[in-house]
Amino acid sequence: AQSVSQHNHHVILSEAASLELGCNYSYGGTVNLFWYVQYPGQHLQLLLKYFSGDPLVKGIKGFEAEFIKSKFSFNLRKPSVQWSDTAEYFCAVNYGGSQGNLIFGKGTKLSVKP
Amino acid sequence: GAVVSQHPSWVICKSGTSVKIECRSLDFQATTMFWYRQFPKQSLMLMATSNEGSKATYEQGVEKDKFLINHASLTLSTLTVTSAHPEDSSFYICSARDPLGPGTQYFGPGTRLTVL
Repeated sequence: AQSVSQHNHHVILSEAASLELGCNYSYGGTVNLFWYVQYPGQHLQLLLKYFSGDPLVKGIKGFEAEFIKSKFSFNLRKPSVQWSDTAEYFCAVNYGGSQGNLIFGKGTKLSVKP
Repeated sequence: GAVVSQHPSWVICKSGTSVKIECRSLDFQATTMFWYRQFPKQSLMLMATSNEGSKATYEQGVEKDKFLINHASLTLSTLTVTSAHPEDSSFYICSARDPLGPGTQYFGPGTRLTVL
C-alpha cells in the first residue's frame, strides 16, 4: 500500500538552529510531493511542492526541500528557525498525477524555543 | 492564494442528531473536493472524494450512509453527519483540488464537531 513516513514525531529546537524534517514515501511510480504546515489554531497551508525539474524546491518563509528519487525522500529544511516556525508539519504525496489523492504522513510537531 | 472556507468552525450537538458542514471554494471553481478527519495528535485521514455533479467516492471503512456528501455546485460541498454519536466527535477538514496544479489541494480551516 502507498504510504508516507515522517520519522520525527516531535522536534524541539532553539531559535537560529537548523532544521531538517525527514519524509519518505513508498514507491508508486510518478509522484508529486508536498509539505504542508499547520500553525496552532490555523488550517493547513502549503509550504512547497515538487512536480518535476530541479529536485531542490524553495518554498515560503525560507523553507526548502530536496527530492532524492533514489532514496524516496523529500526532506524539509530551513537553515535558521524562528519561534514563529512552531507548528505541525505534514509531508504529503500525490500518487497518480492530477487524479490522485494526497497521502499524508503522521506529521512532525516542531517547537522552537525563543 | 486560493481560499477555502468551512462553516461552522465549531459545533456541539446531541447524540442522535444530524449535523451539516459546508465547504466552499471562495475564489476558484473546484470540481473535486475532499473530506478528511483528523484525530488529536494524528494525521489527516481521507474520508471521501467529492466530485461535482456525481456521487462521492468513499474510502474503505467510511460509512457512506452516515457521512452524506453532496457536491451540488463548483464551489460548494457539504458533509452531513447523520445520527451522530460521541465517537463521531472529531475535527473535520475539507480541501479543494487546484484545477491548475496536479495534486495540489487547498485546505479549509476545519470544523470541530463535539457530540454529547
